[in-house]
Amino acid sequence: GAVVSQHPSRVICKSGTSVKIECRSLDFQATTMFWYRQFPKKSLMLMATSNEGSKATYEQGVEKDKFLINHASLTLSTLTVTSAHPEDSSFYICSARGSRGGEKLFFGSGTQLSVL
Amino acid sequence: QKEVEQDPGPLSVPEGAIVSLNCTYSNSAFQYFMWYRQYSRKGPELLMYTYSSGNKEDGRFTAQVDKSSKYISLFIRDSQPSDSATYLCAMGVGSGAGSYQLTFGKGTKLSVIP
Repeated sequence: GAVVSQHPSRVICKSGTSVKIECRSLDFQATTMFWYRQFPKKSLMLMATSNEGSKATYEQGVEKDKFLINHASLTLSTLTVTSAHPEDSSFYICSARGSRGGEKLFFGSGTQLSVL
Repeated sequence: QKEVEQDPGPLSVPEGAIVSLNCTYSNSAFQYFMWYRQYSRKGPELLMYTYSSGNKEDGRFTAQVDKSSKYISLFIRDSQPSDSATYLCAMGVGSGAGSYQLTFGKGTKLSVIP
């Protein structure tokens, strides 16, 4: 299957700082990437959809100024959590579709964010 | 009624047992179906992808889709302790950039006891 790399796997930061998470498709070009948030023992919650070269589409209730998404190339999307607060602590996972428009979704390994 | 229903478990089975994981759905527009395996604090890993009703086998895993009943299953034969994980079903519609939509079940936590 296709490989999606996500970094960092774990980050601890102070309240008020910003954190950037990278998601890269290693062996395919990803026209569409998705960012999810997952709370313990809960399912995936879609935060936003990013398409290469255009603005991200955010799900209802997700603050676009809080969670900045950039999909500047066909292999890289970034999620920046700005002015992080303890309630932003969560497991964030990115995923990508292949550039041939396949339905299969491939996930990164996730980032555990802890805001102190 | 939620679009996709999946029993969260937990489900505990002895090593070597046959495991049956299920999801039901209400949206008849779903066209394709997937099963993911997620280990604790890791991203989901795609196990199976199916498009039509019927069975699809891959090693110890069999995915079954019954579109008339709106019911999908994942069977794991000869279960191993390494199969212990949360299994998520996913189903979707559309393939275009603006129409693609994937809906996930809540996941079933499986423990295979040695």
